[in-house]
Amino acid sequence: DIQMTQSPSTLSASVGDRVTITCRASQSLSQYLAWYQQKPGKAPKALINRASFLESGAPPRFSGSGSGTEFTLTINSLQPDDFATYYCQQYYTSPFTFGPGTTVDIK
Amino acid sequence: EVQLLDSGGGLVQPGGSLRLSCAASGFTFSKYAMSWVRQAPGKGLEWVSGLNDNGGNINYADSVKGRFTISRDNSKNTLYLQMNSLRAEDTAVYYCAKGCDISCYRSDYWGQGTLVTVSS
Repeated sequence: DIQMTQSPSTLSASVGDRVTITCRASQSLSQYLAWYQQKPGKAPKALINRASFLESGAPPRFSGSGSGTEFTLTINSLQPDDFATYYCQQYYTSPFTFGPGTTVDIK
Repeated sequence: EVQLLDSGGGLVQPGGSLRLSCAASGFTFSKYAMSWVRQAPGKGLEWVSGLNDNGGNINYADSVKGRFTISRDNSKNTLYLQMNSLRAEDTAVYYCAKGCDISCYRSDYWGQGTLVTVSS
């Protein structure tokens, strides 16, 4: 199975900051990597697909990059609505594993 | 508008069974892969199972293989998860999730989730 890791596990930031989260896979995914945002008590929401494509409805301050085994999610100018937990997921091969998550909280 | 309505959760004793359902609307259900993803209390997301558009290709996480069965009824636009031999560690919110095409398992839409509690 492909193992996914994320760093950091928690990130404290302020409104207006630029934030970067890293996701690493135990083997190459090509670009079959997605990012999701989840708020407490709510279902996840899709942000990025194929490593760098913004999902319909996701704000343009979110961007993704990477390929192979290393990927990043960047939030430009953090907004109050962005404080949440972010997960990466590989959809290259079954089982379609998630990373452990990165919580972005208020500094 | 895409809508996924999860149902069927509840309290069940260890060793018991439960069947979850997910009623889909707002898209052509028969043209998309579907998945179940769960989240234990205070924990991260865990992909549980998925199947392609016609149900001919099915995959499971090792943690549920042999105990859970995923299925779909394209005539009723409904996804199912039959859960047998339930364990305490299966306690979680279970989400159904729509795939991105006939055999793509990234999820662009999610249900609201249904809570399964396994306890005596």
